[in-house]
Amino acid sequence: RKEVEQDPGPFNVPEGATVAFNCTYSNSASQSFFWYRQDCRKEPKLLMSVYSSGNEDGRFTAQLNRASQYISLLIRDSKLSDSATYLCVAQTGANNLFFGTGTRLTVIP
Amino acid sequence: DAGVTQSPTHLIKTRGQQVTLRCSPISGHKSVSWYQQVLGQGPQFIFQYYEKEERGRGNFPDRFSARQFPNYSSELNVNALLLGDSALYLCASSLQRGITDTQYFGPGTRLTVL
Repeated sequence: RKEVEQDPGPFNVPEGATVAFNCTYSNSASQSFFWYRQDCRKEPKLLMSVYSSGNEDGRFTAQLNRASQYISLLIRDSKLSDSATYLCVAQTGANNLFFGTGTRLTVIP
Repeated sequence: DAGVTQSPTHLIKTRGQQVTLRCSPISGHKSVSWYQQVLGQGPQFIFQYYEKEERGRGNFPDRFSARQFPNYSSELNVNALLLGDSALYLCASSLQRGITDTQYFGPGTRLTVL
C-alpha cells in the first residue's frame, strides 16, 4: 500500500470554478503534511502546509483530518495559472517526505 | 539568493554505466535529500544526509549511493544503470532535519538510460 494516495485526475475546470483535491495517507505516525505544486518539467514547490485546524492562503484552503487520515486542498476562483500538478505530501520521521502520485489540474479559459 | 542547484541538467547513459549527479544546497542549509521521480509519479525518497552522515534511506537497491561534503554539497551515484533508472532526480535542501524545516527542491537532473 502506498504511503500517500491521491486521485491522479486529470481535473479540467473552467476559469472561476472551485475545485477540490483529496488524498489519504496510510502511516498514522505521519507528523506533518503539505501540498506541493509542480509545473510541467519543473521541480516541486511548496504551496502550503496543512494543519488540523485548517489553513487558508488567499484562494487556497487546506484541511487535515487525522482521524480519517485524510488531507484536502480547495482552490477557489481558479485561474489559468493554477494549471499544474498538485502533490500531496506526508512527512514521517526526520524530514522524509512521502509524495502522492499527484493530481493534474487544467484550468480552461 | 541562489536556490538549490543541480548538475548536469540532462544526462544520457547506456545500461550498465555509472552516473554521478551533483547538488549544491541553499547557503546555510545543512541537510540534503535525494528523490527519484519517474514520469507520471510523485517523487520517491532515496537518501537524506545531514552533517555529512546518512540519516535516512528509502527503498532503493545498493546500486544507489550518496555522500555529503564538508561544504554540504552532495553527490548521488548510481552504478550498473538499468532502463528503469530513467527519471528526474531531485535534490532538496533544508536548514536542519527537523519536521518543521521546509525542503526546497532544485531543478533536477533528467537521466535517460538507453
